Amino acid sequence: GIQVEQSPPDLILQEGANSTLRCNFSDSVNNLQWFHQNPWGQLINLFYIPSGTKQNGRLSATTVATERYSLLYISSSQTTDSGVYFCAVDGVTDSWGKLQFGAGTQVVVTP
Amino acid sequence: GEEVAQTPKHLVRGEGQKAKLYCAPIKGHSYVFWYQQVLKNEFKFLISFQNENVFDETGMPKERFSAKCLPNSPCSLEIQATKLEDSAVYFCASSQAELPWEQYFGPGTRLTVT
Repeated sequence: GIQVEQSPPDLILQEGANSTLRCNFSDSVNNLQWFHQNPWGQLINLFYIPSGTKQNGRLSATTVATERYSLLYISSSQTTDSGVYFCAVDGVTDSWGKLQFGAGTQVVVTP
Repeated sequence: GEEVAQTPKHLVRGEGQKAKLYCAPIKGHSYVFWYQQVLKNEFKFLISFQNENVFDETGMPKERFSAKCLPNSPCSLEIQATKLEDSAVYFCASSQAELPWEQYFGPGTRLTVT
């Protein structure tokens, strides 16, 4: 099945800082999603982005499908951005809809 | 509803007991997925349904796990004879019939096997 690698594994930011999270994947994808798992365990959809660029407030994401990577940008970070960020993909050689998750990036934003 | 609903939020079972988890997908969504999250950061796909039909069950440990999605009822995931290693958070997700296959996740059920 498809392999998903996220980097960095951990990130400590001061409030107001910007950061970039990376997701590499080993095969072509039908679907790529970014999630934020907050400290209460809730998985929040951030982006559905198998290709292209999207922005939502202080967050934006870019997927370069031909080079098999996606980037999530957090600007002007806030303490509420703390949590784990997951990239999940649905590879073309797997069955439809079977998401493979990366190991996540643990983000801590300090005041 | 507008959100995926899962019940119960927490479930504690003694080893060997049965556990049953429920999921109501977003209204109008045809696909339901179950995932298991263990060790906080490790997700495992279990099974998916297209309406009441099993779509992909390649992730299911078949000897003790079963799942159903019946018309006009919440979907269910049942674990017979739970083991300590079944302790995890079980997430349900749903998506619409047409592409894109964006999946929306419920709040999860935390199962603790003692």
